Amino acid sequence: GQSLEQPSEVTAVEGAIVQINCTYQTSGFYGLSWYQQHDGGAPTFLSYNGLDGLEETGRFSSFLSRSDSYGYLLLQELQMKDSASYFCAVRDHRTNAGKSTFGDGTTLTVKP
Amino acid sequence: ETGVTQTPRHLVMGMTNKKSLKCEQHLGHNAMYWYKQSAKKPLELMFVYSLEERVENNSVPSRFSPECPNSSHLFLHLHTLQPEDSALYLCASSQEAAGRGEKLFFGSGTQLSVL
Repeated sequence: GQSLEQPSEVTAVEGAIVQINCTYQTSGFYGLSWYQQHDGGAPTFLSYNGLDGLEETGRFSSFLSRSDSYGYLLLQELQMKDSASYFCAVRDHRTNAGKSTFGDGTTLTVKP
Repeated sequence: ETGVTQTPRHLVMGMTNKKSLKCEQHLGHNAMYWYKQSAKKPLELMFVYSLEERVENNSVPSRFSPECPNSSHLFLHLHTLQPEDSALYLCASSQEAAGRGEKLFFGSGTQLSVL
């Protein structure tokens, strides 16, 4: 079976840095993705890690350690618009990104 | 239009009604998906279509019936639903190729309420 764990809620202030962790237990592993979803909106792709290490995209970075079955999303210089839910997703097939298993999501609240 | 569009955005239906959800992708992708998102639950994969062929059906009740007439369009036909089927139904697409295709592109979803 597949299971992913991430914190349910995180709160931080504008300008701060926040890290959202994701640990996974899956029967196979091909890559870890992160998605952002604002209330009432569509999930949007943020980042993907297929190999160990850090991937940086602007203010957002994502890290993966396959030996620890662990990854995280790092958000820097937080802005109010970053308040949203963040989902990690593990892909366990070589094809079909849509066959990923999603975590429950972390609700990030950014305060002034 | 660009991206993935879903209609309707909101739908209220009785348990005896028949309705259909529509999804259209304008990205030239070769795979499309239906997901269910309930409150306080992770995204649940319902159906996968790859090159217009259904390749996965994750034990979804038969009251949900998907249809993929071409690579750009995906439907979810609904009949005799139950109140517990009330949820946000999301359509997504991706371009699948060997070693690629890690990105899913989602529509904004249809918020379904079954009375």
